[in-house]
Amino acid sequence: AQSVTQLGSHVSVSEGALVLLRCNYSSSVPPYLFWYVQYPNQGLQLLLKYTSAATLVKGINGFEAEFKKSETSFHLTKPSAHMSDAAEYFCAVSEEYGGSQGNLIFGKGTKLSVKP
Amino acid sequence: DAMVIQNPRYQVTQFGKPVTLSCSQTLNHNVMYWYQQKSSQAPKLLFHYYDKDFNNEADTPDNFQSRRPNTSFCFLDIRSPGLGDAAMYLCATSSLAALQETQYFGPGTRLLVL
Repeated sequence: AQSVTQLGSHVSVSEGALVLLRCNYSSSVPPYLFWYVQYPNQGLQLLLKYTSAATLVKGINGFEAEFKKSETSFHLTKPSAHMSDAAEYFCAVSEEYGGSQGNLIFGKGTKLSVKP
Repeated sequence: DAMVIQNPRYQVTQFGKPVTLSCSQTLNHNVMYWYQQKSSQAPKLLFHYYDKDFNNEADTPDNFQSRRPNTSFCFLDIRSPGLGDAAMYLCATSSLAALQETQYFGPGTRLLVL
């Protein structure tokens, strides 16, 4: 069964600094991976997704993620943090088995704080 | 703009009093999902509809039911809310129940149980 691990429940960066949010997955077959962002009291918004095309995936708001099969990782990065990036970020993998194709398995989330 | 709409955004109910949350979509997607998200936790899938086919997650309590009268609307019914059911409820849609398909989320309804 698939699973997703997000290292670090809280990450704090200064405005303008690099953002790195870590996500590792376990899957016996090539996965489909997603990053979602959630602002306070709002739903989830898709940042980007990996569907076995290019390993470096570019998303909205300047975010990108690189799929590394050897490391089973799909870390999210942004070169320069902005105050508006403060939110919670969820990594997710698409479920393969049990007739539930398409169901998402989420990591526990990483809350990003951006200091001025 | 095509979107997923949830009403109300905030719902207060009393312990044991049935409550219904609604979701509508203008995306014409086949699949609609309901998630429960408790504070500082990941969303947890309750069930989903693929067209009219209902798919319940194994660990979803019987207290939670759902209806999908047509493609655009889906309802979450909580028959006897307990204090532990206070959470954000998220509706999502996708065009297919396929691994690579993106799920589009509504803004959520925050449920408070008194």
